[in-house]
Amino acid sequence: SQQGEEDPQALSIQEGENATMNCSYKTSINNLQWYRQNSGRGLVHLILIRSNEREKHSGRLRVTLDTSKKSSSLLITASRAADTASYFCAKGETSGSRLTFGEGTQLTVNP
Amino acid sequence: KAGVTQTPRYLIKTRGQQVTLSCSPISGHRSVSWYQQTPGQGLQFLFEYFSETQRNKGNFPGRFSGRQFSNSRSEMNVSTLELGDSALYLCASRPSRRNTEAFFGQGTRLTVV
Repeated sequence: SQQGEEDPQALSIQEGENATMNCSYKTSINNLQWYRQNSGRGLVHLILIRSNEREKHSGRLRVTLDTSKKSSSLLITASRAADTASYFCAKGETSGSRLTFGEGTQLTVNP
Repeated sequence: KAGVTQTPRYLIKTRGQQVTLSCSPISGHRSVSWYQQTPGQGLQFLFEYFSETQRNKGNFPGRFSGRQFSNSRSEMNVSTLELGDSALYLCASRPSRRNTEAFFGQGTRLTVV
């Protein structure tokens, strides 16, 4: 079973709009990672935020982490059709290297 | 630097057979983890190998096993295949066991008929 939940499950927007995806988790974390997957292929790492960080940026991506609410969000600004993919959050454990993935958000960016 | 290589990319097997999947991590990476992805259960952790030893195991039956070689290449084996084993199997490599960015291969799509 999944450790985290993501919402929405699916998101459809127009090019140029912003996309926000949310992730919640249940137990303590070392870090929270976001990955992208294009139609059943491998996952690509986007960004990692540590448990003592609150916000992180990478290009058009912004990730926030609220450990008191056990939640994180991924914002993609000025979206492009090429951003169409599934996005997953993954909880990095405090010990070991297991990643526990959320259910994912399917993002569709319409040109 | 070459990425994570998984072979084969696609595989069709019959119920009851066994299968072996291979993963070559990025050069210098010593930690290899395996994940199963299905529409119903999502991405689930199978196991992790480091220095030829299994370090962590997910909640899968004993039919799922793996090993790692001295060059860090890893194989996973599934015996007595069931229809429910149809999935995308993903391998991820890291330089160490620290929970940092994982580099994933393109996966092996296994179909059990």
